[in-house]
Amino acid sequence: NAGVMQNPRHLVRRRGQEARLRCSPMKGHSHVYWYRQLPEEGLKFMVYLQKENIIDESGMPKERFSAEFPKEGPSILRIQQVVRGDSAAYFCASSDTGDEQYFGPGTRLTVT
Amino acid sequence: QKEVEQDPGPLSVPEGAIVSLNCTYSNSAFQYFMWYRQYSRKGPELLMYTYSSGNKEDGRFTAQVDKSSKYISLFIRDSQPSDSATYLCAPYSGGSYIPTFGRGTSLIVHP
Repeated sequence: NAGVMQNPRHLVRRRGQEARLRCSPMKGHSHVYWYRQLPEEGLKFMVYLQKENIIDESGMPKERFSAEFPKEGPSILRIQQVVRGDSAAYFCASSDTGDEQYFGPGTRLTVT
Repeated sequence: QKEVEQDPGPLSVPEGAIVSLNCTYSNSAFQYFMWYRQYSRKGPELLMYTYSSGNKEDGRFTAQVDKSSKYISLFIRDSQPSDSATYLCAPYSGGSYIPTFGRGTSLIVHP
């Protein structure tokens, strides 16, 4: 059973461009979570989704950030007009019941 | 005060030592407690998952929760160099599936 997959693993964007991060959950998992991790800091929750629904987006910045988890295909975290402060590791986790979460390898975003 | 506190370390121990990693929290609603291990530049890996107070053992790892003092521990017996990683505690309440992560404790096990 393949684990959680994220791509790309590394993404470089210039300021003002859009970043699109993808997450394919483990087979059979319908809960997806996105987290951001800055150097020397812990994981910060961003958004929790189930198929086609956003359950909790309390950790998501109000502007420029959006997330979706369509009926078919991976979950997408989109960051519009990226700024240097968006540089971080973005992790996706999935769960089948909503409790134990299994993480992907992360996408490291660098904004130049 | 942060909701979940961990000493960032690093904690350096010799191979074979018993390691104690600790976490305190302030939210009395937390009922579920997870421990993750994160190697450098990798995603966190779920190690242990416990509910409420008490102990849970899995191989060389034992998780201990004391809800009365809001204190969580992870013990590693016969530590190995491959245990060198950052350990994150992540409690959450029953009404939410969103864990609150501690900053993590960096562990170094030297041969």
